[in-house]
Amino acid sequence: KAGVTQTPRYLIKTRGQQVTLSCSPISGHRSVSWYQQTPGQGLQFLFEYFSETQRNKGNFPGRFSGRQFSNSRSEMNVSTLELGDSALYLCASSLVDSTVEAFFGQGTRLTVV
Amino acid sequence: GENVEQHPSTLSVQEGDSAVIKCTYSDSASNYFPWYKQELGKRPQLIIDIRSNVGEKKDQRIAVTLNKTAKHFSLHITETQPEDSAVYFCAANTNAGKSTFGDGTTLTVKP
Repeated sequence: KAGVTQTPRYLIKTRGQQVTLSCSPISGHRSVSWYQQTPGQGLQFLFEYFSETQRNKGNFPGRFSGRQFSNSRSEMNVSTLELGDSALYLCASSLVDSTVEAFFGQGTRLTVV
Repeated sequence: GENVEQHPSTLSVQEGDSAVIKCTYSDSASNYFPWYKQELGKRPQLIIDIRSNVGEKKDQRIAVTLNKTAKHFSLHITETQPEDSAVYFCAANTNAGKSTFGDGTTLTVKP
């Protein structure tokens, strides 16, 4: 069974640009969550999608958005990039929700210059 | 909103000793508490989890305890080995699809 796949693995963007990251969950998993990981800040919850609907959202500005497609693949978008957005973005998939094991992707390392 | 405090932030032990990491949560709706291990440059991976209707769970050298009344849960690693060195994250999750993670504990096991 293929694991959670995130693309691209690395990305360098300029301040003010926008970026789209992709996450393909494990086959059969319907819940996809996104996290921002920075040194010393742990894993900060961005949002969670299930059956194309955003069920929950963390405390991030509106520049961070996401969506989920009918095949459960998910994308997150960050507009008007700021230097502080540089981080590792991880997605995790689970069968139904956050009360069962979540499997993480390798992450996308975003650097904003 | 939910808040999860994790202590200590760093922990250094000698090989063979035990390690204990503690987490406290605030949302009484939290009912699932996973622990993840993240080795350097790798993705977080689940090592053990516990549900709110269970007080303790063991898996070989790893155990987790939960005190719902006090809203805290702990990870216990016995007979530590150098390969246990990693960052450990606790999380408190609700049915509503939200996971709140602690800030992580960097465990170093000295040979």
